[in-house]
Amino acid sequence: DAGVIQSPRHEVTEMGQEVTLRCKPISGHNSLFWYRQTMMRGLELLIYFNNNVPIDDSGMPEDRFSAKMPNASFSTLKIQPSEPRDSAVYFCASTLGYTGADTQYFGPGTRLTVL
Amino acid sequence: AQSVAQPEDQVNVAEGNPLTVKCTYSVSGNPYLFWYVQYPNRGLQFLLKYITGDNLVKGSYGFEAEFNKSQTSFHLKKPSALVSDSALYFCAVRDIRDTDKLIFGTGTRLQVFP
Repeated sequence: DAGVIQSPRHEVTEMGQEVTLRCKPISGHNSLFWYRQTMMRGLELLIYFNNNVPIDDSGMPEDRFSAKMPNASFSTLKIQPSEPRDSAVYFCASTLGYTGADTQYFGPGTRLTVL
Repeated sequence: AQSVAQPEDQVNVAEGNPLTVKCTYSVSGNPYLFWYVQYPNRGLQFLLKYITGDNLVKGSYGFEAEFNKSQTSFHLKKPSALVSDSALYFCAVRDIRDTDKLIFGTGTRLQVFP
């Protein structure tokens, strides 16, 4: 299995620009998660989807952040406009989503730098 | 409130010595517990989990963890540390209010010295 795929792996942009991060979950997984990792705040859950429907977006920092999952094999996390404080590593994870015992599998992450 | 605590920011151990990375949890009911490892510039990798059954769980790369209900702990252990085990380790517990979600600890950095 290819695992969770994220692109791009690195993104450098200027403040005010739109940034789109992409994720392809493991085939057959029903739940998808977006996390953000920083030194200051550690690992934070931003939003998660089950069967392509957003279930909990309480971790999304503000309206500049939005996420979509148009189908079972693709999700995007968009930041518009970006700010330097958005610099972080963004991870996508997926799980079967049938029981609480299911394991979450993480992608390699996208390292975002906003100048 | 549900939570998981990793009391040590960093653990140092000499290669060949046993290692322990500590984790305690607070959750009502039966906990589902997980350990993940993060190597530099990589995503989190699943190591092992406790769902039910034997309190000693064996996982990847020679790691194991012991579930202790009375002490509400789930410490990660390895009998003989390798320099390549140096990484960031996360403990997590399943959120019983929303069983799709994991509650992660703050992470413990393991440094194995040659």
